[in-house]
Amino acid sequence: DAGITQSPRHKVTETGTPVTLRCHQTENHRYMYWYRQDPGHGLRLIHYSYGVKDTDKGEVSDGYSVSRSKTEDFLLTLESATSSQTSVYFCAIRGQNTGELFFGEGSRLTVL
Amino acid sequence: KNEVEQSPQNLTAQEGEFITINCSYSVGISALHWLQQHPGGGIVSLFMLSSGKKKHGRLIATINIQEKHSSLHITASHPRDSAVYICAVYRGNEKLTFGTGTRLTIIP
Repeated sequence: DAGITQSPRHKVTETGTPVTLRCHQTENHRYMYWYRQDPGHGLRLIHYSYGVKDTDKGEVSDGYSVSRSKTEDFLLTLESATSSQTSVYFCAIRGQNTGELFFGEGSRLTVL
Repeated sequence: KNEVEQSPQNLTAQEGEFITINCSYSVGISALHWLQQHPGGGIVSLFMLSSGKKKHGRLIATINIQEKHSSLHITASHPRDSAVYICAVYRGNEKLTFGTGTRLTIIP
């Protein structure tokens, strides 16, 4: 296992509230990613990070922000959650030498 | 048109059958990943390949760069192989593009 964990695993919240999802890795990998998975869509990239304080937008970044103050932690924040952000969120890391992907267990978010 | 297309979308087979899942893509890539997602959600990387063929146990993955096509084969399929299989292409710009997956069900 690559040592990647997400928290919380499940969350129900109300429209307009802030939500933060945490991704923690123990592998010291440089690249970390946040994806969302929705029925009928493949995994879609929200934001990614290529180092501490270095982040960039993915294809569905509107309404999301990220932060990476330490190599091991990559936080995804929904400043004001909307029902369209109800989804399963996956964090992933990429092995620096092999390019292999490792995924967290997923965080199921429901916005009422 | 999606950049990554998988077929079939759903596949049901009897235990022991030989399984083939296909992935076609329309962009230039530097690598292709095959992933497995079991009910309950966890995603596991099966293969990453940029040319030729790789084998791991009963799973074989092939890629034809010229034809922009990859296949995932499962020999002697087993009910525990039931899962969603996802193809993803890496274009070298940190942007992986994922297919929508093939749902495989193996009946005992």
